Amino acid sequence: DAGVTQSPTHLIKTRGQQVTLRCSPKSGHDTVSWYQQALGQGPQFIFQYYEEEERQRGNFPDRFSGHQFPNYSSELNVNALLLGDSALYLCASSLGDRITYGYTFGSGTRLTVV
Amino acid sequence: TQLLEQSPQFLSIQEGENLTVYCNSSSVFSSLQWYRQEPGEGPVLLVTVVTGGEVKKLKRLTFQFGDARKDSSLHITAAQPGDTGLYLCAGAKYSSASKIIFGSGTRLSIRP
Repeated sequence: DAGVTQSPTHLIKTRGQQVTLRCSPKSGHDTVSWYQQALGQGPQFIFQYYEEEERQRGNFPDRFSGHQFPNYSSELNVNALLLGDSALYLCASSLGDRITYGYTFGSGTRLTVV
Repeated sequence: TQLLEQSPQFLSIQEGENLTVYCNSSSVFSSLQWYRQEPGEGPVLLVTVVTGGEVKKLKRLTFQFGDARKDSSLHITAAQPGDTGLYLCAGAKYSSASKIIFGSGTRLSIRP
């Protein structure tokens, strides 16, 4: 039973560029949440997708957008990259009405903006 | 604003010692989880507590949810080098359709 899969694992981009990160949730999970984790910090909530709709959003600018596909996989897009966007981006999956029981996380995508 | 405050931020102790990590908030949570994260990996769920006053044990780890569901603690008995990692507490405000908010973490180092 595959867990959460994220791609790519590492990425280097230049300021001003755009990036797309991908996530396949754990089998049987229908909800995908994205987090940004700066070095030495806890993960910060970006947004959550359920039934192909953005259900909740954290305090991130509109440069951060996402999508969920009918097979529950998801993408995170970041436009006009800034140096401060360098971080580990984590995807977490869960079963829609069982958020309270926690998430299954992927290993993350390490994004470096230069 | 960090809704969940963890203390201490860093802890380095000798193998065999006991330790407690705290997670505090002014908000009430429907549930609270503890995760452990290794470098370069995503957090791994250790336990979820949902009832005020609940205590759960996972081998040498004991987790407690405060009576008012605003705080939690993680106690490790006879720490081992394999316990080294970043410990994160996280809370969900509601039982469904809710985001999970993370604390800033406690970085634990166990010296052999």
